[in-house]
Amino acid sequence: QLQLRESGPRLVKPSETLSLTCFVSGASITTDNYYWAWIRQPPGKGLEWLGSISYRGRASYHPSVRGRLFVSVGSSENQFSMRLSSATAADTAVYYCAKHAISHNMAVWGRGTTVVVSS
Amino acid sequence: QSVLTQPPSVSGAPGQRVTISCTGSSSNIGAGYDVHWYQHLPGTAPKLLIYFNNNRPSGVPDRFSGSRSGTSASLAVTGLQPEDEADYYCQSYDSGVSGSVFGGGTRLTVL
Repeated sequence: QLQLRESGPRLVKPSETLSLTCFVSGASITTDNYYWAWIRQPPGKGLEWLGSISYRGRASYHPSVRGRLFVSVGSSENQFSMRLSSATAADTAVYYCAKHAISHNMAVWGRGTTVVVSS
Repeated sequence: QSVLTQPPSVSGAPGQRVTISCTGSSSNIGAGYDVHWYQHLPGTAPKLLIYFNNNRPSGVPDRFSGSRSGTSASLAVTGLQPEDEADYYCQSYDSGVSGSVFGGGTRLTVL
């Protein structure tokens, strides 16, 4: 059974880079026709898709974070990662990783990890 | 401001039927892109409830159903049960974003 697990620092200082990794178990990340996504939920707000990547490295980003967000697929392990530069308090959120088909329906999610941007 | 608009809250008594609307535009639902629905309990992973507008993944009760028409979609829950109390989100693809967009979420309260 496919499982996803987010991992990374819980506290990030303003202006620094927020980095998270999603570990994938139960299936290979090198599967055609599927994408690996990052979604976040700021406190008291709804879900926001941030970006997705195919295992071949084709990435797409939400305009609100384009230029700050970089999503990559792990070169040797079954994982993918995100790096969000120039973090601000507005980036404080629960961050989820998920797997989706080309139609964007997200069938499998991680449990999420809370990241706080604060000095 | 979410690209897809949902009511902030709906409620119903056990056994009743409720619907949650999701209003989009010509760049997402109105363009023919599929709508998916998720159930989210705080502190847990969101769960895919409906995909491709009206399909249920294995294990989702048939009390949940979805529909899409024009620039809107809706989720119906019949025979409300206490465990249905959760946040519900609609999602679609948006050509302006070139990616996914979610609704702002609807809190379903079972009275």
